[in-house]
Amino acid sequence: LAKTTQPISMDSYEGQEVNITCSHNNIATNDYITWYQQFPSQGPRFIIQGYKTKVTNEVASLFIPADRKSSTLSLPRVSLSDTAVYYCLVGEYNQGGKLIFGQGTELSVKP
Amino acid sequence: EAGVAQSPRYKIIEKRQSVAFWCNPISGHATLYWYQQILGQGPKLLIQFQNNGVVDDSQLPKDRFSAERLKGVDSTLKIQPAKLEDSAVYLCASSNRDREQYFGPGTRLTVT
Repeated sequence: LAKTTQPISMDSYEGQEVNITCSHNNIATNDYITWYQQFPSQGPRFIIQGYKTKVTNEVASLFIPADRKSSTLSLPRVSLSDTAVYYCLVGEYNQGGKLIFGQGTELSVKP
Repeated sequence: EAGVAQSPRYKIIEKRQSVAFWCNPISGHATLYWYQQILGQGPKLLIQFQNNGVVDDSQLPKDRFSAERLKGVDSTLKIQPAKLEDSAVYLCASSNRDREQYFGPGTRLTVT
């Protein structure tokens, strides 16, 4: 399972777009990139998953360059409620695969 | 759809005592996971079940931790005897073939 590196913390203001980049230099051919969000006193929650190029859903976009050695989670127009820890995970998933969480990025959104 | 249920939500015990946590996964989810999350760190997988069989327990401290999944549904995680360093949040998650894991609210354990 590939190791990931992401910033420990980030600050933003309401209404801004936030981009969190994750480095995964040793990603394998069959690996997917997944992001989870965790609020205090709650379990992590799935945000988005991708393999290559760009994936978008109702809450975020995930940008993956051609070499797949990094990925960027983009949160459009953040609000105070987006204050949370964001985890980037890389691994091969089939019927529920093993997740290895790093330390995550603590995002603080200010008014 | 009901989420993953865990109980208790909080538990305080003294070191060397025993404790058990219970998890009820989302109906129909074949895979169940137990994670340990120490304050300031990401969750660490302790054990993974596929139905009622163990898939991965490589990071479970087997001298003091045990887990079972009865009839491939509910699961319990036990610690006996507890140590101070076991103070953490214990998270249960379940998944089906969609790969996404659904987490419960966790049990916060404090060992004094």
